[in-house]
Amino acid sequence: DAMVIQNPRYQVTQFGKPVTLSCSQTLNHNVMYWYQQKSSQAPKLLFHYYDKDFNNEADTPDNFQSRRPNTSFCFLDIRSPGLGDAAMYLCATSSVQQETQYFGPGTRLLVL
Amino acid sequence: AQSVSQHNHHVILSEAASLELGCNYSYGGTVNLFWYVQYPGQHLQLLLKYFSGDPLVKGIKGFEAEFIKSKFSFNLRKPSVQWSDTAEYFCAVLTDSWGKFQFGAGTQVVVTP
Repeated sequence: DAMVIQNPRYQVTQFGKPVTLSCSQTLNHNVMYWYQQKSSQAPKLLFHYYDKDFNNEADTPDNFQSRRPNTSFCFLDIRSPGLGDAAMYLCATSSVQQETQYFGPGTRLLVL
Repeated sequence: AQSVSQHNHHVILSEAASLELGCNYSYGGTVNLFWYVQYPGQHLQLLLKYFSGDPLVKGIKGFEAEFIKSKFSFNLRKPSVQWSDTAEYFCAVLTDSWGKFQFGAGTQVVVTP
């Protein structure tokens, strides 16, 4: 089935140790998004790619970076995770920006 | 400032009760409106959406929502809930001005047997 896949589902890292979260999609969508969702809060958009064009939200910390090597894959790199970065990270895709977004299951990040 | 408001953070109700969740947004132009549901341990799933046309839209699992432009509202309803409707519900608004989803804070719904 076409879907948005995120790996791993759970990630434990140490304070300050770089970590990479992965997202892949079989929908062939042009747009891929990364959201951060903390407990009992709305998902917060970090950045998105429209094809290879990267769009960073103004309040996304520099600690967060992203790569999209091809249409199917997108990575979230957290260069130096802090305790406050512990959250669920959601990947989503849409065919174009003004369309329905389809979400992956998320990666729960724990920072020790 | 442009925003999306969900009025209730937590709702507890019994099976067979009716459910209505409020969603209001602040934007005067064209909007695309969505309700997403997140069941425990699962990913966000689309319940229904409104882009244009009939302001009363029907979604999956017996949910419906009504877009009232004059009230800037897109309330979600279900006439008779089931235990399996226990989940968190998010309203999301997409505008030509924002170019991205703006989510409400979510409403946690608990349905008791």
